[in-house]
Amino acid sequence: SQTIHQWPATLVQPVGSPLSLECTVEGTSNPNLYWYRQAAGRGLQLLFYSVGIGQISSEVPQNLSASRPQDRQFILSSKKLLLSDSGFYLCAWRAPDTDTQYFGPGTRLTVL
Amino acid sequence: AQKITQTQPGMFVQEKEAVTLDCTYDTSDPSYGLFWYKQPSSGEMIFLIYQGSYDQQNATEGRYSLNFQKARKSANLVISASQLGDSAMYFCAYRGYQKVTFGTGTKLQVIP
Repeated sequence: SQTIHQWPATLVQPVGSPLSLECTVEGTSNPNLYWYRQAAGRGLQLLFYSVGIGQISSEVPQNLSASRPQDRQFILSSKKLLLSDSGFYLCAWRAPDTDTQYFGPGTRLTVL
Repeated sequence: AQKITQTQPGMFVQEKEAVTLDCTYDTSDPSYGLFWYKQPSSGEMIFLIYQGSYDQQNATEGRYSLNFQKARKSANLVISASQLGDSAMYFCAYRGYQKVTFGTGTKLQVIP
């Protein structure tokens, strides 16, 4: 069966520090991968999605970036965090030619 | 661009009663999909139910059913026999080409 992992689960970082969040999927090949952010009490905002290794589409211009160095690995990064980057970050995957996205457990990021 | 709307920020329901959570969407896509996800206080996004735009019958999954009215562009979630564990945020989502757009959510509280 397929599983999706995210780490860390929680993170507290100072303003201006770098960020690296990792997402990995097991049990499937060539998944579509997604990064979402959820501000407190709000809906989900799509940040990036990827249909293959090295292929990244950005939905919202910001100081975040994403990379997909391996088929089942998706990384969200920042060189310098802003206070507004605080939120709940969710990674999701979807098998090709299917419809449903499945989410990881999320990372709760607080920027102080 | 597709737009998805959840007009109920919060709902209350008595335990064992049925409840309907509203969702409307706006699209000109010939083919699309509609989802409902549950987000408990732990933060994980749990897939509940999916409806394809060409599906003839309304989707059902246990106590969840999706009341799909294509002409009215609505995809309401019906939860039968509510349980205390159903208390959570519920998100409607629209699947277009490669991307999923989420509504702002409805907070459901089940009263004993």
